[in-house]
Amino acid sequence: QVQLVQSGAETKRPGSSVKVSCKASGGSFSSLAINWVRQAPGQGLEWMGGIVPIFGSATYPQHLQGRVTITADRSTNTAYMELSGLRSDDTAVYYCAEDSECSGGSCFGGYWGQGTLVTVSS
Amino acid sequence: QSVLTQPPSASGTPGQRVAISCSGSSSNIGSNLVYWFQQLPGTAPKPLVFRDNQRPSGVPDRFSGSKSGTSASLAISGLRSEDEADYYCAVWDDSLSAWVFGGGTKMTVL
Repeated sequence: QVQLVQSGAETKRPGSSVKVSCKASGGSFSSLAINWVRQAPGQGLEWMGGIVPIFGSATYPQHLQGRVTITADRSTNTAYMELSGLRSDDTAVYYCAEDSECSGGSCFGGYWGQGTLVTVSS
Repeated sequence: QSVLTQPPSASGTPGQRVAISCSGSSSNIGSNLVYWFQQLPGTAPKPLVFRDNQRPSGVPDRFSGSKSGTSASLAISGLRSEDEADYYCAVWDDSLSAWVFGGGTKMTVL
């Protein structure tokens, strides 16, 4: 059974950066996509980007291009999401989610981490 | 404003069948596979439906997904109190080159 364990809560100043980790166990870390999704307080889900570790290059939504960087370390089965230029509206719970293997391919969001609260405050 | 439109709320009584809609366009629902997630308060989203209408292992068959054209739907039959949660649809959007989510629907069991 795949388990994703994320790093702990962070409090950051506006303008700084945060890096959240997501360690995977029990699955095929390298070949399935890992995505990052965030949820602001009381709001819905927002995709922040994703990576397939064996390919290495990440994909991001246009509105976050240049501010978010997603990487993966295959030697430790760990994915990372770094967000720079933090603003108060970046305050949210950040989730990593790994695709699961399905008949005919992979399925988006098969396994989720527990979430990491990032608070941006001066 | 979400690319996918869901009703903000839905409700039903125990045992009832309820459905949640998710409306999109030709660049997302009309051409790609839809996913549904359930989120209980204070927890991570949980997958309910993969690829329009497939249930992950362990999801009761009370939950079912369907799609027609540029709209998708999640049906819950035999509604139970533990189904009180937020429900989200998600799909890849070819025009945005991004995964997009609906705004979420809060299900209340009366």
